[in-house]
Amino acid sequence: GAVVSQHPSWVICKSGTSVKIECRSLDFQATTMFWYRQFPKQSLMLMATSNEGSKATYEQGVEKDKFLINHASLTLSTLTVTSAHPEDSSFYICSARDPSETQYFGPGTRLLVL
Amino acid sequence: GDSVTQMEGPVTLSEEAFLTINCTYTATGYPSLFWYVQYPGEGLQLLLKATKADDKGSNKGFEATYRKETTSFHLEKGSVQVSDSAVYFCALRPSGNTPLVFGKGTRLSVIA
Repeated sequence: GAVVSQHPSWVICKSGTSVKIECRSLDFQATTMFWYRQFPKQSLMLMATSNEGSKATYEQGVEKDKFLINHASLTLSTLTVTSAHPEDSSFYICSARDPSETQYFGPGTRLLVL
Repeated sequence: GDSVTQMEGPVTLSEEAFLTINCTYTATGYPSLFWYVQYPGEGLQLLLKATKADDKGSNKGFEATYRKETTSFHLEKGSVQVSDSAVYFCALRPSGNTPLVFGKGTRLSVIA
């Protein structure tokens, strides 16, 4: 099946620093990618929808200046958590939609902000 | 709005037992339905899907049938294994270019 990769798989950073997470579709072109956040033992919360070449659409309550999303190519989207704080610690998962409209998920990035 | 309701876990079964995880949905139009599985520490993997009424999705011994009359998409497996221990998410895509809507997930533990 289709593969979506994320990098890094985990990151620990100091409060106030920025962290960039990459999401790549390895064997298909994805015009649409999604970013989710998952809290322990909970479901996925959609943060934003990213369309290649245009601005991301953020869900209500998600700060666009806090979570910067760039979808510069059909195989790469990045999420930058700016000025991270401990409450931003979470599991971030990206997803890419293939031409058949099936969504494939990356393995996730665990962020810990100290 | 569109929503997915799935049975709360955790579900604990002995190896080779029969598994059912209930999932019902609310949606306008004709959504596509999905089951995803999340193993510990990993992202979600697509398990199976169905795109129209009466379709049956199947994979790795798991099955689910799209029932429009009962708005359900229950996940079943005849004989579970310890390796099936994971969290299972039911999801729907309302239509077209819209993101998935997830249920809260059901944690399954299979003991030997």
